[in-house]
Amino acid sequence: GQQVMQIPQYQHVQEGEDFTTYCNSSTTLSNIQWYKQRPGGHPVFLIQLVKSGEVKKQKRLTFQFGEAKKNSSLHITATQTTDVGTYFCAGPYSSASKIIFGSGTRLSIRP
Amino acid sequence: EAGVAQSPRYKIIEKRQSVAFWCNPISGHATLYWYQQILGQGPKLLIQFQNNGVVDDSQLPKDRFSAERLKGVDSTLKIQPAKLEDSAVYLCASTPRALNTEAFFGQGTRLTVV
Repeated sequence: GQQVMQIPQYQHVQEGEDFTTYCNSSTTLSNIQWYKQRPGGHPVFLIQLVKSGEVKKQKRLTFQFGEAKKNSSLHITATQTTDVGTYFCAGPYSSASKIIFGSGTRLSIRP
Repeated sequence: EAGVAQSPRYKIIEKRQSVAFWCNPISGHATLYWYQQILGQGPKLLIQFQNNGVVDDSQLPKDRFSAERLKGVDSTLKIQPAKLEDSAVYLCASTPRALNTEAFFGQGTRLTVV
């Protein structure tokens, strides 16, 4: 079946350090989405990537979609305490576009 | 614009009891999803509706779980009978179109089965 794996599972960084999470799909994706879930909260949409090799930036966040459209990454520059949470990638599978979530990377930050 | 509404926020039941969750998606959103999120894991898709029809329920444990979306608007998810391993947060999400759009999530219902 479809699988979306993310690494690392956890990352604990000093405030101001960079953070990267990687997402790998077992099948080619038409697009990939990224969500952030704060502790005790619900997933909130961050961005969607559609094109092969696409790179998008949102302030300190940089999102990349792989050339083969099977992997993606999220990089945060100079983390802040507000970045704490779990970051999920998610991809639509099949023509019905059911959205399958990755396992997530939980980011914690030392002030 | 009102978001996705879910109720109740919390529910504690004993194993073998039944429970129902309710979701009202954003007005006009045709696609509705129910996800199960066990602590420390990513959301797992249980069922997807397009209007009032089921598009995918391949991951729904049909011996105990059921869901409906009458009239293509709000939806209910039922568990009967509940097991300990059903303890999780049940998230409802909706999208305006089936393809290539972000999902809007409700606050979720945290279910504890004791």
